[in-house]
Amino acid sequence: EVQLLESGGGLVQPGGSLRLSCAASGFTFSSYAMSWVRQAPGKGLEWVSAISGSGGSTYYADSVKGRFTISRDNSKNTLYLQMNSLRAEDTAVYYCARHGGGYQLLDAFDMWGQGTMVTVSS
Amino acid sequence: DIQMTQSPSSLSASVGDRVTITCQASQDISNYLNWYQQKPGKAPKLLISDASNLETGVPSRFSGSGSGTDFTFTITSLQPEDIATYYCQQYDNLPPLTFGGGTKVEIK
Repeated sequence: EVQLLESGGGLVQPGGSLRLSCAASGFTFSSYAMSWVRQAPGKGLEWVSAISGSGGSTYYADSVKGRFTISRDNSKNTLYLQMNSLRAEDTAVYYCARHGGGYQLLDAFDMWGQGTMVTVSS
Repeated sequence: DIQMTQSPSSLSASVGDRVTITCQASQDISNYLNWYQQKPGKAPKLLISDASNLETGVPSRFSGSGSGTDFTFTITSLQPEDIATYYCQQYDNLPPLTFGGGTKVEIK
């Protein structure tokens, strides 16, 4: 079964750090670009970061640039998001999503995980 | 950055009604436009890619059209299971990949 499963969310204090993971199964993980997309409570979808299939190219939203780092381990079929200097406004459900065009970054998100909640609060 | 303006932000319609949602890009994005459905507490689901390409398994009552800056998403006959929030998303350029603000569809 083709699946994405996020983990690592939780409650963290402002200024703290958290690392999210997204375990992929059922497809050739290394052949697909991947993204993180977040959704604050009651709000819309916000793209956070993307990474190419090889991991050699990464992209970030201005709101997280310099604080978040996307990476992947293709040997473990796992995508990561290292989040540092967390702020209250980073509170959201974080989804990992597969770019449907394979290596192509500019394509639709054809698969999504179930999401993991990150709450930044003192 | 490319801004995506989606309207209306919410709508209420009766079962069987035709529902139309519009999405406007701040610059020409050709047909690089996707539509997603998100039901409460669930992850988004891709319905339409490349502005008008219906994904496999998606009911034919859903459709999309448009190119350039103006796009339309239509449900020809609203069903109770279509209650959800719908989002458009451009992929002409990154960063960033941008979403519209969403349209919440409810049953009257």
